Amino acid sequence: GAVVSQHPSWVICKSGTSVKIECRSLDFQATTMFWYRQFPKQSLMLMATSNEGSKATYEQGVEKDKFLINHASLTLSTLTVTSAHPEDSSFYICSVQRTEWFFGQGTRLTVV
Amino acid sequence: GDSVTQMEGPVTLSEEAFLTINCTYTATGYPSLFWYVQYPGEGLQLLLKATKADDKGSNKGFEATYRKETTSFHLEKGSVQVSDSAVYFCALSDRGQAGTALIFGKGTTLSVSS
Repeated sequence: GAVVSQHPSWVICKSGTSVKIECRSLDFQATTMFWYRQFPKQSLMLMATSNEGSKATYEQGVEKDKFLINHASLTLSTLTVTSAHPEDSSFYICSVQRTEWFFGQGTRLTVV
Repeated sequence: GDSVTQMEGPVTLSEEAFLTINCTYTATGYPSLFWYVQYPGEGLQLLLKATKADDKGSNKGFEATYRKETTSFHLEKGSVQVSDSAVYFCALSDRGQAGTALIFGKGTTLSVSS
């Protein structure tokens, strides 16, 4: 069965609004979760590492104020895209690591 | 920094054809290497892995050998099936320790027709 649940699977929002994506670890406690972004025909680019109870670690070039990450519990991390713009449209994927890495199904964000 | 380069697709094959998807990597240390597969509408799933040089990972008829001398981890299957149609990602972890993210290639789309 699924180890990681990501929601929603797709979302369309208007420019200027905020969108929240949830990533849940279903059957184990994850102190660390990872958020990736995938552009068409591009690799999965690591955006940030989400740490339970502390601030996320962002990769170089990722705007902290644009992509807010909250890891409030050992089973839930959220990514909020604030003041979304069309260039934020992309495929976002979360991941957790136990003995191996597990991935959510991804969220297709379209900003219109 | 560490990186992964894999052949661009799409790769289109007939059923029972031989498959090779090339993957090479750049890493400063001794990474673990992985192939992940993403079927339509599903999340990435681990297909196989190798943690040290000359290791061969295998699963579901797929194989890949960790070649340190050529920094490669090419994916092969002797006879593909329609159900193998998916996107395949080569990835590495520079340490494999807890809390370390994977680094991915761009993915290769495989389409198998009957």
